[in-house]
Amino acid sequence: GAVVSQHPSRVICKSGTSVKIECRSLDFQATTMFWYRQFPKQSLMLMATSNEGSKATYEQGVEKDKFLINHASLTLSTLTVTSAHPEDSSFYICSARDPVRSTDEQFFGPGTRLTVL
Amino acid sequence: GQQLNQSPQSMFIQEGEDVSMNCTSSSIFNTWLWYKQEPGEGPVLLIALYKAGELTSNGRLTAQFGITRKDSFLNISASIPSDVGIYFCAGQKASGSRLTFGEGTQLTVNP
Repeated sequence: GAVVSQHPSRVICKSGTSVKIECRSLDFQATTMFWYRQFPKQSLMLMATSNEGSKATYEQGVEKDKFLINHASLTLSTLTVTSAHPEDSSFYICSARDPVRSTDEQFFGPGTRLTVL
Repeated sequence: GQQLNQSPQSMFIQEGEDVSMNCTSSSIFNTWLWYKQEPGEGPVLLIALYKAGELTSNGRLTAQFGITRKDSFLNISASIPSDVGIYFCAGQKASGSRLTFGEGTQLTVNP
């Protein structure tokens, strides 16, 4: 139980294009999902908290117009990197809480490797 | 920014040895979590600690929640090659709030 998937697992795009990453909770309903970014050999940095049916809350320094987050259903949140540039290349990881199981534990997806050429 | 100091940054050990890593913070956390991340994967929860002083085991892993609520350690006994990965501590200030991650400890186990 408590499985989170991400799609795609890897994506390569040209500079200036937009990329959409999906995060799905497969066997539970997630009212809250989180998006993290991880650069090589670094820790996970929280980008934003996504609540179903409302606007995402972005961390300081994260551009909300560049990283568009939509959490339209209880099992799906999407992150769109708009006008991607090489410095956006990173490992993007989502997580989700299962409010029935626990209010604290976050279940992580397998991550999406984004490479911007 | 990052509030958790995790050490050591990396460890190179022989199979069978015990391992210890820790996290410290300048502020109090009410929950401490330990995750393992393998290359190209998301973190997987190993142990969750909810009470100051709590000592919890999960197989060969043991973690403790410091009594000051500002630190935690993780021990791995009798390490095996599949223990290789990056171990992260994470703290949570209040139930349902965001996680703050440590910098990670890269563990290498030589057979």
